[in-house]
Order: sequence, then structure tokens, then C-alpha cells
Amino acid sequence: AQSVTQLGSHVSVSEGALVLLRCNYSSSVPPYLFWYVQYPNQGLQLLLKYTSAATLVKGINGFEAEFKKSETSFHLTKPSAHMSDAAEYFCAVSVSSNDYKLSFGAGTTVTVRA
Amino acid sequence: GAGVSQSPRYKVTKRGQDVALRCDPISGHVSLYWYRQALGQGPEFLTYFNYEAQQDKSGLPNDRFSAERPEGSISTLTIQRTEQRDSAMYRCASSLVGRTEAFFGQGTRLTVV
Repeated sequence: AQSVTQLGSHVSVSEGALVLLRCNYSSSVPPYLFWYVQYPNQGLQLLLKYTSAATLVKGINGFEAEFKKSETSFHLTKPSAHMSDAAEYFCAVSVSSNDYKLSFGAGTTVTVRA
Repeated sequence: GAGVSQSPRYKVTKRGQDVALRCDPISGHVSLYWYRQALGQGPEFLTYFNYEAQQDKSGLPNDRFSAERPEGSISTLTIQRTEQRDSAMYRCASSLVGRTEAFFGQGTRLTVV
């Protein structure tokens, strides 16, 4: 079985500051890892995914995440927060290369202060 | 269509009633997934289809929940004899075959009163 834990249900950052969202995974086999963003009244949108290629993954909107096997982590970062980054972010894990049967974390809500 | 479409967007039903939630995937997408998201939680896998075949229904919580996709396109998730604990956002996603990106719909907010 696989699972993810997101540390911190709410994160508040100042505009222009670093955004850091933490995700740790548990998996008995090499995992595939994802970050999704959910804006109000919208569906989940894929930010980036790790599929065992490069450990540093770049996604949309300036986000990136680094896979660290030794720490079982896949933290999401963005160097400079924008007001438009205010949303809920979900980390997810899968052990299959053929489907999107994902296990999601509980989510982290990001607010951006002007 | 341009994206995954779910209907209704909001559904309020009385306890004990049956409800049917509809998902219209992106045209040409082979795989279709159902997830349930309780308030304050991440989405939880329910079931998925490739074409019309249900590949995995291990996430369906009990036999009151069922899903079908008879023609390999539109899917219906049915909940019989609804209970208050069924209240949640139900999300559908679709993808091309395999590990191509899955696109999520806006969801159906189900409230059982």
C-alpha cells in the first residue's frame, strides 16, 4: 500500500516569498509522485509529476519539486509567490505506471499576503 | 467537449433516496476515474474504467455504490439508499490510455440531509 502525508494544512506566505509545501510518501515499491492544485470551483490541475526520470521536476507556473528517496520526500517549491498562487495543493502517489489510481494527501491551503 | 463535464454540479437529497451522478469525459479518452473527496480531505479513489470495462472497483465503500460506463464514454456513479456519510464532492477524471495526464472535472457536491 502507498500513502502520502502533507505537513501543514495551511500555509501563509507573503507575496514574493518562497513557497514550500511538504510531502512525504510511503511506498513499498518505487513510486510515481504528483502535485495537483485546486482553485475554487475548479477541477484538480496537474502541476508536475515524478516518474523515475530526473529527480528535480519542473512544473507549470514556476513550481518545482525534488524527489529525495533517502528522505521519502517530494516537497513542492516556488521561489517567489504570486497572489494567483492562493489555492489548495495536493500531493499524490501511485505505484502503477499504467493508470491514475492515486492516493492523495489531505491537502495544504496556501494564502498569499500582499 | 473541451473538458470533463460532471452533472449535476450540486445535488441535495434526502437520506434513503438513490442518486445518480454523471460524468462526460473528454472525447477520445479511454480511461475514466471516480474519486470522492470529503470536506477537508484529499480525493479518495473509488473505481476506474478502460473503455466500458470496469478495471478496479476496490475503492467503492460498500454495495450501495456502483458505477457503469456502458458505451465506453459517459459514466454514471449510483448511490443507493443514501446516508449522511455519503455527503462529499464526487470527482471524475479521464485520460488517454496509460499514464498520460488525467484531467479532472469540477465535481458534483452531494449533500444528504
